[in-house]
Amino acid sequence: SAVISQKPSRDICQRGTSLTIQCQVDSQVTMMFWYRQQPGQSLTLIATANQGSEATYESGFVIDKFPISRPNLTFSTLTVSNMSPEDSSIYLCSVEDDGRSSTDTQYFGPGTRLTVL
Amino acid sequence: GQQLNQSPQSMFIQEGEDVSMNCTSSSIFNTWLWYKQEPGEGPVLLIALYKAGELTSNGRLTAQFGITRKDSFLNISASIPSDVGIYFCAWDSNYQLIWGAGTKLIIKP
Repeated sequence: SAVISQKPSRDICQRGTSLTIQCQVDSQVTMMFWYRQQPGQSLTLIATANQGSEATYESGFVIDKFPISRPNLTFSTLTVSNMSPEDSSIYLCSVEDDGRSSTDTQYFGPGTRLTVL
Repeated sequence: GQQLNQSPQSMFIQEGEDVSMNCTSSSIFNTWLWYKQEPGEGPVLLIALYKAGELTSNGRLTAQFGITRKDSFLNISASIPSDVGIYFCAWDSNYQLIWGAGTKLIIKP
């Protein structure tokens, strides 16, 4: 399976500021995903990020609030803009297997725990 | 939209006990995935199921894809302390994962 790292692992931020989260994969993958997991909740997909195209956002998430970059096949960033305490969550990136196994499955990074004061 | 109902919400068991949790859906699914998430970590894939009736094991874990394609269960035999965490079922819908609410497993010392 792909090895995924995220930076930072956690951060405490002030209201109104922005934080950029990085996701690095040890192999080239076509599809990368960004999820949010609020305390005690399941995961919610924010957007799908494919290299060379604009990210596709899910209902309730907009590019102005969560701009995403995907400059190459091993890296992506998610920015949480103009943060408020409601943005306090764990943010996770994941990748689709890209055909190295017989089944397509998603693998997750360790997450970035964000607290907004 | 598609919904997954996962139960129980939490389990508080003795070490050595067997554990069973399940997910049901209102629609027919082509895949069932079971993930485990430990505190401070991302979810880790445990078992993937792709055929109705499929029964798959991964060590002490066993999962089955229901014959109606609307349900799946995950069993853990002889639980140990490192089994603690939250277990999620998920469905892979055209690259988007639809998640159950999770089952939190707590093991009494």
